[in-house]
Amino acid sequence: AQSVTQPDIHITVSEGASLELRCNYSYGATPYLFWYVQSPGQGLQLLLKYFSGDTLVQGIKGFEAEFKRSQSSFNLRKPSVHWSDAAEYFCAVGGNNDMRFGAGTRLTVKP
Amino acid sequence: NAGVTQTPKFRILKIGQSMTLQCTQDMNHNYMYWYRQDPGMGLKLIYYSVGAGITDKGEVPNGYNVSRSTTEDFPLRLELAAPSQTSVYFCASSPGASVNTDTQYFGPGTRLTVL
Repeated sequence: AQSVTQPDIHITVSEGASLELRCNYSYGATPYLFWYVQSPGQGLQLLLKYFSGDTLVQGIKGFEAEFKRSQSSFNLRKPSVHWSDAAEYFCAVGGNNDMRFGAGTRLTVKP
Repeated sequence: NAGVTQTPKFRILKIGQSMTLQCTQDMNHNYMYWYRQDPGMGLKLIYYSVGAGITDKGEVPNGYNVSRSTTEDFPLRLELAAPSQTSVYFCASSPGASVNTDTQYFGPGTRLTVL
């Protein structure tokens, strides 16, 4: 069965610093991979998704993610973090009728 | 265009009570979903629907029921509330054009506590 691991429960970065959130997945076939962001008290919003083609995927709000099949990873990156990026970030794998979410990484941004 | 709306925002139930969580979307999406989010955990799929009159179980369906009589509405029913059902519940919808790669649009959630 597919599963997702987000090794970091909580990350703190300074505003303007770069960011990388880790995601490792287990999936039997070609994975469908997603990153969602959840602001406090809100539902999830899709940042980006990968299902085929170029392994570097661009998303909204300046985020990107790279699919590495050999490492079973789909890490999320941003070159310069803004205070408004403080939120919970979820990696997910699978089709929409069987999507498995990771436990999430909470991002704190220091001024 | 309100997107996905959920009511109520908060609810406290006593053990054994029943309630219905409401979910409505105005995007004419075919697919709708119910998830629960427990503290420190990712979302888990409870039930989903691929169209009016069609529903199916997700990863954690026990203790819940759903119906889909219209495209817009997808209510979630708890018949005999238990403390294990204390959670935040999210409803989502997607167009259904591509079952694996569609974007899901989420409502703001319902925080349910069972005491």
